[in-house]
Amino acid sequence: DAGITQSPRHKVTETGTPVTLRCHQTENHRYMYWYRQDPGHGLRLIHYSYGVKDTDKGEVSDGYSVSRSKTEDFLLTLESATSSQTSVYFCAISRTGHPDEQFFGPGTRLTVL
Amino acid sequence: DQQVKQNSPSLSVQEGRISILNCDYTNSMFDYFLWYKKYPAEGPTFLISISSIKDKNEDGRFTVFLNKSAKHLSLHIVPSQPGDSAVYFCAVPSSYNTDKLIFGTGTRLQVFP
Repeated sequence: DAGITQSPRHKVTETGTPVTLRCHQTENHRYMYWYRQDPGHGLRLIHYSYGVKDTDKGEVSDGYSVSRSKTEDFLLTLESATSSQTSVYFCAISRTGHPDEQFFGPGTRLTVL
Repeated sequence: DQQVKQNSPSLSVQEGRISILNCDYTNSMFDYFLWYKKYPAEGPTFLISISSIKDKNEDGRFTVFLNKSAKHLSLHIVPSQPGDSAVYFCAVPSSYNTDKLIFGTGTRLQVFP
């Protein structure tokens, strides 16, 4: 299994509070991604990174920011959490960027009250 | 507007029989298609893929069929096993030669003894 961990695995927070989710990999892969999974929507790409300090937006990036200061860590921040951001968040990594080679972490379940 | 649709949210199949999961897409420019499998409380894992230059790709019990004229792909699992019970997502790269994936909404497969 690819070495990907996500922390925390579960979090409950209140509307308006900042939240940071962490994705950590031990594979030294170049590409990292953040997705959210919601009923009726499948998985949707939030942000992705193609190298240290190189990030770009996905299809549902509003309300989220990311940072990648080291190869192994990709942080997802909700500056002011809203109830619509209640979701399960998955991090993924890829060595080559090829679609076949995205390996997903175990997910973080976030509830915004 | 869903570009990738899985119209059956769930499917129940008896062990040993064939499972057929379907996926429709809207953009004829999509040229690569993937299936991911997801167990509860885990991240998705890559299962099988197919390029648009093929109409069939087989890997053990799993076969993916592509019908470009109908913009339809299907995943066949033969014979189905209880361990195949999971949610299956089809996915496509959002544009040519990209790693950014668009996922369908998923089909929950249950294989019963």
